[in-house]
Amino acid sequence: GESVGLHLPTLSVQEGDNSIINCAYSNSASDYFIWYKQESGKGPQFIIDIRSNMDKRQGQRVTVLLNKTVKHLSLQIAATQPGDSAVYFCAENTYYNFNKFYFGSGTKLNVKP
Amino acid sequence: DTEVTQTPKHLVMGMTNKKSLKCEQHMGHRAMYWYKQKAKKPPELMFVYSYEKLSINESVPSRFSPECPNSSLLNLHLHALQPEDSALYLCASSQDLAGAKNIQYFGAGTRLSVL
Repeated sequence: GESVGLHLPTLSVQEGDNSIINCAYSNSASDYFIWYKQESGKGPQFIIDIRSNMDKRQGQRVTVLLNKTVKHLSLQIAATQPGDSAVYFCAENTYYNFNKFYFGSGTKLNVKP
Repeated sequence: DTEVTQTPKHLVMGMTNKKSLKCEQHMGHRAMYWYKQKAKKPPELMFVYSYEKLSINESVPSRFSPECPNSSLLNLHLHALQPEDSALYLCASSQDLAGAKNIQYFGAGTRLSVL
């Protein structure tokens, strides 16, 4: 079936460094992508989204890049902080019609002080 | 208020028990969701309600029975569960299903153990 996957299950970075979390998707019909953050003991929390008519979108300390040619998106976190330690999931869907909503397998981000 | 409240936080039940999970939101959202999450895995979509009507059932076994009594409440009734059903059950809500209104807000979940 269709799937959203991640290349790295665990990522360790030093506090203050930039982090890059990658995600590959395989459903060509997906045109809407969302990043969620899940801290231990909590539900996922929305971070940022991007539609397929964009290549890049910036938020506060976060940037999402979308490469439709290779079906890849990434989440960049600037000046990573201990509070950024969590599991990060990308998710895909279609913008005008909620159809299949998939979470990727997740990347655990460890921020070392 | 961007809070989705789930009760109970923890639940232990036997395979012959009947129990219910509850979810509540007061954000005026018209779409609500149930997910199942096993340890170290992503959430898996189970059910979607839109305007209090069941919109999506992801081939979930009938021992899980969802109910949406009104636009603020979502229940998940459990009956004759199996030990492999032990997981974190997450509820979410969103303004609507389409577009950016699909951004989902999640509760903290109910940690379910089936003995």
